[in-house]
Amino acid sequence: GDSVTQMEGPVTLSEEAFLTINCTYTATGYPSLFWYVQYPGEGLQLLLKATKADDKGSNKGFEATYRKETTSFHLEKGSVQVSDSAVYFCALSVLNSGYSTLTFGKGTMLLVSP
Amino acid sequence: GAGVSQTPSNKVTEKGKYVELRCDPISGHTALYWYRQSLGQGPEFLIYFQGTGAADDSGLPNDRFFAVRPEGSVSTLKIQRTERGDSAVYLCASSLRVAGDTQYFGPGTRLTVL
Repeated sequence: GDSVTQMEGPVTLSEEAFLTINCTYTATGYPSLFWYVQYPGEGLQLLLKATKADDKGSNKGFEATYRKETTSFHLEKGSVQVSDSAVYFCALSVLNSGYSTLTFGKGTMLLVSP
Repeated sequence: GAGVSQTPSNKVTEKGKYVELRCDPISGHTALYWYRQSLGQGPEFLIYFQGTGAADDSGLPNDRFFAVRPEGSVSTLKIQRTERGDSAVYLCASSLRVAGDTQYFGPGTRLTVL
């Protein structure tokens, strides 16, 4: 079946540090890939997505590139802020019979200190 | 406009009781999804509705779980004879149509079974 593996947290960084959160996937079809973010006390929000190989998704300074050869979709940000502290989820969806559902990783907590 | 709303935000019940969790999707969204997020895990798919019909209920863990969407808008997830293992955050998401559309999540209902 489909699955997503992401690095365990928490990831603890100082403000302005570089961030990488690793994500790899296994899928039976050709997936779309997503990063969702969950800020404290809030619901899941889509951060970025990529729908085909070599696509780069980007939003709010975060980027991730769809790498089919390594089945990866690592999240990066050049300079994190305290307000980026949240739980980040990597996810995939595969279109099947005209619809798709999301398969999530376990999430990675990011803690950014001033 | 208004996002996905879920009520109640918290529900505490006793083992063996019946509970109903409500989801109000974004207006005009025809696709609706339920997910369950256990502590320290990513969300897991439960059931998907297209319009009024449950097109895929393969994620429901057993026959104590049931969901309806009688008018193609609001959905109710129903859990009979609750067990302690049902304790989790139940998330609802909606999307405009189906294939490839971004899923927008509600804030979730935290269910605690004592």
